[in-house]
Amino acid sequence: NAGVMQNPRHLVRRRGQEARLRCSPVKGHSHVYWYRQLPEEGLKFMVYLQKENIIDESGMPKERFSAEFPKEGPSILRIQQVVRGDSAAYFCASSPIQGNTGELFFGEGSRLTVL
Amino acid sequence: QKEVEQNSGPLSVPEGAIASLNCTYSDRVSQSFFWYRQYSGKSPELIMSIYSNGDKEDGRFTAQLNKASQYVSLLIRDSQPSDSATYLCAVSGSGDDKIIFGKGTRLHILP
Repeated sequence: NAGVMQNPRHLVRRRGQEARLRCSPVKGHSHVYWYRQLPEEGLKFMVYLQKENIIDESGMPKERFSAEFPKEGPSILRIQQVVRGDSAAYFCASSPIQGNTGELFFGEGSRLTVL
Repeated sequence: QKEVEQNSGPLSVPEGAIASLNCTYSDRVSQSFFWYRQYSGKSPELIMSIYSNGDKEDGRFTAQLNKASQYVSLLIRDSQPSDSATYLCAVSGSGDDKIIFGKGTRLHILP
């Protein structure tokens, strides 16, 4: 019974490159959340998606960041032209139902380092 | 901007004692409240959820909710060294499906 799978677990990019983070939710879950966590900080909400729909992207920076959750395949968080401030752990979580009444199942995170 | 506030700690508690973790939230119409535990370098895991005023007990853990005071707490009885972790308070509701997390309280159980 696979949980939330994130890859890569660690990613190193130089400034200006693109980072692409993937998240496969728990089988049967149709709700995906992305959070960013800086060292010694809490989880900062970025985006909430259902299959083929962005439900709430109020936590996403307006530029360079995008997310998708296609009908088939994993959810993707894409960061274009990365800067040092993008270095963080990015956690994906999935839920079988709307998040405000259900448990979030987290992946192990993708740790992005921008040189 | 909805906010969830926690004391960052560290909170040091002797083994066997009760650890008390507190959280306040700004959105009065929030409906769902969660406590997650996160070990260093690991992902958060849900340990308690609470939706109505009062206490909810699960083993050594008790969550307490007071919506009038916009306050939620977590009590850990008979604290163990394995309880040493960061505890994240999370809140959602008011028709808004996103779950907002506090910055977490670091708990250290002293052997």
